[in-house]
Amino acid sequence: KAGVTQTPRYLIKTRGQQVTLSCSPISGHRSVSWYQQTPGQGLQFLFEYFSETQRNKGNFPGRFSGRQFSNSRSEMNVSTLELGDSALYLCASSLVQTSTDTQYFGPGTRLTVL
Amino acid sequence: GQNIDQPTEMTATEGAIVQINCTYQTSGFNGLFWYQQHAGEAPTFLSYNVLDGLEEKGRFSSFLSRSKGYSYLLLKELQMKDSASYLCASYNFNKFYFGSGTKLNVKP
Repeated sequence: KAGVTQTPRYLIKTRGQQVTLSCSPISGHRSVSWYQQTPGQGLQFLFEYFSETQRNKGNFPGRFSGRQFSNSRSEMNVSTLELGDSALYLCASSLVQTSTDTQYFGPGTRLTVL
Repeated sequence: GQNIDQPTEMTATEGAIVQINCTYQTSGFNGLFWYQQHAGEAPTFLSYNVLDGLEEKGRFSSFLSRSKGYSYLLLKELQMKDSASYLCASYNFNKFYFGSGTKLNVKP
């Protein structure tokens, strides 16, 4: 079974631009979560989607948004990029996301904002 | 948010045993996960605890005390390849909360 895939793997943008990242979950997984990972803050939860609906949201500004398609693939968008948005963005998929449901992470998209 | 506390960095010797501690918020708690993350790679699942006690999985074991909001990951017979960051994550109120990770350096 193929793992979680994320595209692109690396991205360089400048301040003020916007970016869209893509995540394809493991086949059959319906829950997709997004995380931002930085050296100082660790892994921080952005949002979780299940069956095309955002179920949970972390404490990030409205510049961060996402969506999920009927095939469970998900995208996240960051508008008006700031230098502080430079990070590794990880997506994780699970069957339905309950307390007993393991999350499987993709390799991440490394975003650099100049 | 939910505070997850774990040491920033630890060093241990090949062949030794190391224990990585983690404390978490108990409100709304419904599970504790440990992940391993090698530099430049995605986190990979190691263990899951929801009931008090020890879960053993080969060289790795994880312990949970729900009343104390405490968990630890025990790594035995350390190998050089165990050098990585270890992330503690608690599941509270239907969300995952991750610690900043403990960077483990295994030296010969």
